[in-house]
Amino acid sequence: NAGVTQTPKFQVLKTGQSMTLQCAQDMNHEYMSWYRQDPGMGLRLIHYSVGAGITDQGEVPNGYNVSRSTTEDFPLRLLSAAPSQTSVYFCASSLGRNNEKLFFGSGTQLSVL
Amino acid sequence: GEDVEQSLFLSVREGDSSVINCTYTDSSSTYLYWYKQEPGAGLQLLTYIFSNMDMKQDQRLTVLLNKKDKHLSLRIADTQTGDSAIYFCACGGYNKLIFGAGTRLAVHP
Repeated sequence: NAGVTQTPKFQVLKTGQSMTLQCAQDMNHEYMSWYRQDPGMGLRLIHYSVGAGITDQGEVPNGYNVSRSTTEDFPLRLLSAAPSQTSVYFCASSLGRNNEKLFFGSGTQLSVL
Repeated sequence: GEDVEQSLFLSVREGDSSVINCTYTDSSSTYLYWYKQEPGAGLQLLTYIFSNMDMKQDQRLTVLLNKKDKHLSLRIADTQTGDSAIYFCACGGYNKLIFGAGTRLAVHP
């Protein structure tokens, strides 16, 4: 049982480049979300989805897009990377919409130069 | 907006008890959680407590909730070197979970 799988684990981008962080879960979870982790700031919610075809903004959505075409996948797109987006990104999922028992991926460390 | 605060660092001797504290502002939180993050890994749910409970015990872990003061604590009994990690407090309800900045627990001989 793979759980929540994130790719890539590491990525270096130049300012202005675009890329997609991949997230997949095999637990048939309804809820999926993306967080970024910055030193001293905990985790901040970027976007979330309560089911296929439904997405919504979290606390820090600017500069990021998401889509949820299937239950399993929830990719995060950076359209034009900026140094302020240097961070560690975590995807998480849970069975229900009430956030209990979030399962996290192992993270993607992104550096934007 | 809502806020969750934790002290950033705690150092304990192996075998002692560790107490990690957290304060929060969202009084509507249905669940309150403790997550553990080991180096290079994602967060792992350690334990959680419903907002209508005062205490929950799970083996070496004891969670205390003071709703009046909006204070949550995690006690780890007989702390071991394997408990060295960052511990995150998180509060929230429907669709929204707010995390603290994390407390780094260092266990020394």
